[in-house]
Amino acid sequence: GAVVSQHPSRVICKSGTSVKIECRSLDFQATTMFWYRQFPKQSLMLMATSNEGSKATYEQGVEKDKFLINHASLTLSTLTVTSAHPEDSSFYICSASGQGTYEQYFGPGTRLTVT
Amino acid sequence: RKEVEQDPGPFNVPEGATVAFNCTYSNSASQSFFWYRQDCRKEPKLLMSVYSSGNEDGRFTAQLNRASQYISLLIRDSKLSDSATYLCVVRGTSYDKVIFGPGTSLSVIP
Repeated sequence: GAVVSQHPSRVICKSGTSVKIECRSLDFQATTMFWYRQFPKQSLMLMATSNEGSKATYEQGVEKDKFLINHASLTLSTLTVTSAHPEDSSFYICSASGQGTYEQYFGPGTRLTVT
Repeated sequence: RKEVEQDPGPFNVPEGATVAFNCTYSNSASQSFFWYRQDCRKEPKLLMSVYSSGNEDGRFTAQLNRASQYISLLIRDSKLSDSATYLCVVRGTSYDKVIFGPGTSLSVIP
């Protein structure tokens, strides 16, 4: 149980375009989803936390207009990187947590390369 | 002071060795604690939750000391497959943000 999927697993896009990443909880209802970014040889950095049906809470330094997060259902959250730049190239990972639980389960990640 | 700190590592140990990782956290109100492992270029995977009474899962033992705000992970009889980065994770209530430690790298050598 507690399976989280992400799509796409890898994406290459041109500078200035937008990219949407989907995160789905396959076998449980995710009341809370988290979005992280990880640069090579660095730790996970939390970008934002989203609760189903509410606006996401962004961490300091993360631009909410650049990283659009939608958590419209209990099984799906999306992250859209708008007007991507090469410095946005990173490993983006989502995680999901069910109601009343403290554990979070991670998706396999999306490797974004902006050229 | 960082919210969650871990031994910087890397740890290079021979197969069969026992290795211990330490983690400290700054927020005394933190309520739940976890150890995750992350393989290179992969997502983190939950290794074990950490309970106040301490808990054991096979070769892995986790302990929590709330008074000292300290968490540990002990790995006995290390296997080559244990090579990974071990992440200490601290969380408040269900809806609080999760804080990841910087991770400690372990390499088990034949």
